[in-house]
Amino acid sequence: GAGVSQSPSNKVTEKGKDVELRCDPISGHTALYWYRQSLGQGLEFLIYFQGNSAPDKSGLPSDRFSAERTGGSVSTLTIQRTQQEDSAVYLCASSPRGTGGSYNYGYTFGSGTRLTVV
Amino acid sequence: AQSVTQPDIHITVSEGASLELRCNYSYGATPYLFWYVQSPGQGLQLLLKYFSGDTLVQGIKGFEAEFKRSQSSFNLRKPSVHWSDAAEYFCAWGAGRRALTFGSGTRLQVQP
Repeated sequence: GAGVSQSPSNKVTEKGKDVELRCDPISGHTALYWYRQSLGQGLEFLIYFQGNSAPDKSGLPSDRFSAERTGGSVSTLTIQRTQQEDSAVYLCASSPRGTGGSYNYGYTFGSGTRLTVV
Repeated sequence: AQSVTQPDIHITVSEGASLELRCNYSYGATPYLFWYVQSPGQGLQLLLKYFSGDTLVQGIKGFEAEFKRSQSSFNLRKPSVHWSDAAEYFCAWGAGRRALTFGSGTRLQVQP
């Protein structure tokens, strides 16, 4: 597609429920990143996929968070048993190449999913 | 710890005035450095980037940034601010095979 697409744009869920957030990267981009932006905070790295390599999960805050990327394209971020502190904007980005090369191309970000846990 | 710091949480400038947003990094070598802008309700947009070479880099929308190794800084500047520049600005750095690390952001308000 023309840009990085994220859905839903807004999600309100009850505490304890599971949620799935979707990211559709730019076609042909091999690298995909998830970040979280809490109110008044910067972007917190969550997870990074590059091609068929094992993902870099070093930023996931707890085992309630997981992500997968199917067929090297669409990615789903799943949060189980949501807590109020999970409320944030979840941003997805993609780039044409992995981390070293992606610095040359930069990241293209989606508009994010605003998650509110009540 | 390796990081990037934006010391100013919020800055207000008058339209037409000059702007400088500060960014300091902490890393043993020269990292890749970036500035992104996030307008209300929008995704992040890359303004400019620095890898090596000329320490003054030009970006989009009339922005520029200067890399100063001695000060571990990469400050963003614009000679004359427009009302449409009101947004949140993020400095970011990358090195090795890591995903970009972002600063906490500086919110710019432009007064008429």
